[in-house]
Amino acid sequence: KNEVEQSPQNLTAQEGEFITINCSYSVGISALHWLQQHPGGGIVSLFMLSSGKKKHGRLIATINIQEKHSSLHITASHPRDSAVYICAIETSGSRLTFGEGTQLTVNP
Amino acid sequence: KAGVTQTPRYLIKTRGQQVTLSCSPISGHRSVSWYQQTPGQGLQFLFEYFSETQRNKGNFPGRFSGRQFSNSRSEMNVSTLELGDSALYLCASSLVGGGNNEQFFGPGTRLTVL
Repeated sequence: KNEVEQSPQNLTAQEGEFITINCSYSVGISALHWLQQHPGGGIVSLFMLSSGKKKHGRLIATINIQEKHSSLHITASHPRDSAVYICAIETSGSRLTFGEGTQLTVNP
Repeated sequence: KAGVTQTPRYLIKTRGQQVTLSCSPISGHRSVSWYQQTPGQGLQFLFEYFSETQRNKGNFPGRFSGRQFSNSRSEMNVSTLELGDSALYLCASSLVGGGNNEQFFGPGTRLTVL
């Protein structure tokens, strides 16, 4: 079993919909990262969380340390949000362990 | 501030050759981590360097090695290339690493082994 599980693997939404991507992990962590990867490979760090909730524009990330679960929400989704969203956990120093990613497609 | 840069962006090699990839971190960042991304295995941690020392290492064979220079620039080397080494190699820099530091990713080097 992977240390990091993401769901769903693929998600198709209509523009304007509220989107949730889930991440569960099975080990103790020092932080959890949400990353965005566009076609071509570039990765952008969206959030780094060790507790609670963070918001940036239309993106919200939450984490429940006791339940070992995090969610990434996108409000009022837009076609430009189409990308792969990756959850990654920090367990030892800067070492990241990644989920398999969620391919999000937002249709106009 | 300039972002993380990686050179070259694309590389084609043949089996048995060796390759060196370069990563220049954001100015002031002292930690550089390397990752491999393949369709089959996804993203995997290779190693992390801080102050010219390897601080953390992933589960890769000894053919994968790296180093960091005094200006924090880092190189990774893969010797005796295999077809399975074809991947996108990403580096990421952070201020001091060691956990709880945001990592900033470079654009990656896409390596194809023929």
